Formats: sequence, C-alpha cells, structure tokens
Amino acid sequence: SQELEQSPQSLIVQEGKNLTINCTSSKTLYGLYWYKQKYGEGLIFLMMLQKGGEEKSHEKITAKLDEKKQQSSLHITASQPSHAGIYLCGADGRYGGSQGNLIFGKGTKLSVKP
Amino acid sequence: DTGVSQDPRHKITKRGQNVTFRCDPISEHNRLYWYRQTLGQGPEFLTYFQNEAQLEKSRLLSDRFSAERPKGSFSTLEIQRTEQGDSAMYLCASSLEKAQETQYFGPGTRLLVL
Repeated sequence: SQELEQSPQSLIVQEGKNLTINCTSSKTLYGLYWYKQKYGEGLIFLMMLQKGGEEKSHEKITAKLDEKKQQSSLHITASQPSHAGIYLCGADGRYGGSQGNLIFGKGTKLSVKP
Repeated sequence: DTGVSQDPRHKITKRGQNVTFRCDPISEHNRLYWYRQTLGQGPEFLTYFQNEAQLEKSRLLSDRFSAERPKGSFSTLEIQRTEQGDSAMYLCASSLEKAQETQYFGPGTRLLVL
C-alpha cells in the first residue's frame, strides 16, 4: 500500500524566516494535495500538484512535485504567525485499490515565533 | 457560507451509547467522504459516496459504523455501542465526480467517549 512520510514532524521558526516541508511517497504520485489544519479544525485546501516538475504558488507558499513524482516540497517564504498550523500532504489512493480516498501523511506542525 | 458543514462540532458520550453525526456537502458536489483523525495522525479514510451510492468502505469501518446518504445530499455517520477507541475527530469532505477533483473538508466533529 502507498505511504506518505512527512519531514520534519515539527518545526519552530522565527517570524520572517523561510522554511521547507517535505512529503515523500513510497509509490508514484498521481495527484498530491497540500492542506493546512489549525488545531481542532478541518483541513483547508492549499494546492494540488499532478505533473512531474509542476510548481504552484499561493501568496507566500510554493509547492513542487519532483520529476519522478515521488516527492513534494512545500516552501514558505518570510513566515508569519498566520502560517502556524499543521501541514498535511495527501495522495490519490488509487494504489490502494481505491478510486476515491486520499491517503495522508502524519502532518508537520509549524510554529512561528513573533 | 457555501462550504462543507458538520453537526455537531463536539460530542461527549458514555461508552456503549450510540451517536450520529451529520455532514452537509457543498451543494453541487456529488461525492462525499468520511475520514477519521486521531491525535498526531493524518486523516484516515472511512467511506465515500457518489450521489446516494456508497462505493467504498475502509477496513476501519467496523460493523458498529454505518453511513448513509439517502437522497444524495447530506450524509449521516452513526456509531453504535461506542468504545473509548472511537474517540477522534470525524471529518467529512466533498468533491465533484471527476478523477482527482479536490476534496473540500468540513470543520469536523470531535467525539469523546468516556
């Protein structure tokens, strides 16, 4: 079955610093989704990557999917306290025999110190 | 607000009691998903519907769990004879029918079984 591993598990950065979160898959990714979750709340969709080499940006957050489509990175530039939360990567579950669900990593907890 | 909504947001129950959660998807979305999330983990897939048809169920969905979407709109998830291990955040998501369509999540229902 497909598994997603995120690193680091947690991250504390000073406001204004850049940071990168990684998501590595045990199998080829057909679609890779990045979500953000505040503690005790639902997931907020950030972006979706599909093609090898694809890169998308939203405000100060950039996500890339590597050429081999087994790893994605999420980069935040000039972090702000509003960026704090748990970042989750999710993948199309088709390797698990599913056509519907997403498989998620365990998340990366980001804290931004003012 | 036209996002996914869930009710209740929080539920405390005693072991052995039955509980029911409701999810209202985004109105034009015909796919609806249920996930469960425990502390420090990513969401785990439970089941999904396309319109009123339940197309897939995870091994996590024991006999005590049942989900319905009778008219292809809102869905309910019932847990019978709750156990302490059922304590978790139950998340609902919805999407359009096409492959690799983004899933949009609701705020979740946090269940605590005493």
